Amino acid sequence: AQSVTQLGSHVSVSEGALVLLRCNYSSSVPPYLFWYVQYPNQGLQLLLKYTSAATLVKGINGFEAEFKKSETSFHLTKPSAHMSDAAEYFCAVSGETSYDKVIFGPGTSLSVIP
Amino acid sequence: DVKVTQSSRYLVKRTGEKVFLECVQDMDHENMFWYRQDPGLGLRLIYFSYDVKMKEKGDIPEGYSVSREKKERFSLILESASTNQTSMYLCASSLIRTGGNQPQHFGDGTRLSIL
Repeated sequence: AQSVTQLGSHVSVSEGALVLLRCNYSSSVPPYLFWYVQYPNQGLQLLLKYTSAATLVKGINGFEAEFKKSETSFHLTKPSAHMSDAAEYFCAVSGETSYDKVIFGPGTSLSVIP
Repeated sequence: DVKVTQSSRYLVKRTGEKVFLECVQDMDHENMFWYRQDPGLGLRLIYFSYDVKMKEKGDIPEGYSVSREKKERFSLILESASTNQTSMYLCASSLIRTGGNQPQHFGDGTRLSIL
């Protein structure tokens, strides 16, 4: 069965500092991995998606994530945090077909300190 | 642009009432999903549908049912609302394509309170 863990339910960074949000997954098949962001009072929107074409994936708003099979990780990073990055971030995993369920992690709330 | 619209942002209902949550997408997506979101638990799948008049149970279907009479509309029904169904409900849709799972597009959610 597939599962996702996100280390740290709350992360605080200073404006301009590196953002690192951790995601580890378990999957018995080659996974598809996603990061979504949720701003207050909104639904989730896709930040980026890993599909095995490249291990380093670039997303919107300056975020990127690196797929490391040996570590079963897909951590999200951004070199310099902005106040507008404050939000809830969800890592998700699925199988390789459109009929596979997507499993979401519990989420990490990011605070950016001015 | 892609649009998933949930009929209500906030809803207050009473215990025992039958509650309908509506979701419409304008992207001609085959897949539609209903999740509930609770603090610390992430998103939990209630029901999903791959096609009109088709439905599949997710991880927590008890106390809920769904209806998909048209491709663009997916309704979630709380048969007899209870206080433990107070939550944020999110609708999503996605395409069915070969070559990989497609990202889901979400509505803004309905915050439902059962008193």
